[in-house]
Amino acid sequence: GQNIDQPTEMTATEGAIVQINCTYQTSGFNGLFWYQQHAGEAPTFLSYNVLDGLEEKGRFSSFLSRSKGYSYLLLKELQMKDSASYLCAVDSNYQLIWGAGTKLIIKP
Amino acid sequence: SQTIHQWPATLVQPVGSPLSLECTVEGTSNPNLYWYRQAAGRGLQLLFYSVGIGQISSEVPQNLSASRPQDRQFILSSKKLLLSDSGFYLCAWTYWGAQLSGNTIYFGEGSWLTVV
Repeated sequence: GQNIDQPTEMTATEGAIVQINCTYQTSGFNGLFWYQQHAGEAPTFLSYNVLDGLEEKGRFSSFLSRSKGYSYLLLKELQMKDSASYLCAVDSNYQLIWGAGTKLIIKP
Repeated sequence: SQTIHQWPATLVQPVGSPLSLECTVEGTSNPNLYWYRQAAGRGLQLLFYSVGIGQISSEVPQNLSASRPQDRQFILSSKKLLLSDSGFYLCAWTYWGAQLSGNTIYFGEGSWLTVV
């Protein structure tokens, strides 16, 4: 079967750094996405990785290792507005497989 | 730029009543369109997707149906709602040609459905 695993919930402190991991087992791979979803709102696109390595976008970075079936989202200089769920999704043969999401709680 | 809208944003419906959620995309042509459902605290469940007018693929057997009467319009319907149909419904689109950002999927604002 196809499976994506990510932690259910994480807690971090404002101003700190947090890493959200995602592991996947899929029949195909055409890329991995990270989305942010604030409570009660629709997910919004954060990043896309198709090659191994790190992609940086301001305070957010996403890393991919295809051989390990592993990705992480790194959030730096955490702000209270970063409190949200973070969804990992894999494009497996043009079908998106979604993780259940990681709820990130930011404490002052 | 492309935009996607869905409505209504919130609705409370009695069990056994019909449902119609509508979604439209602007600024692109021949998009792939999707309906997802997200139960409280859970991941996204793909309900239907469409690659063109009148072409609907169902992922989960249920009492819901979808239609695509126009290129950029996608409708989710039910003749008789069940309590288990409650949830957050999301319409989304992709464009299968973006080389730099992959097949990035973009979501509408979402519709909260409570069946009572």
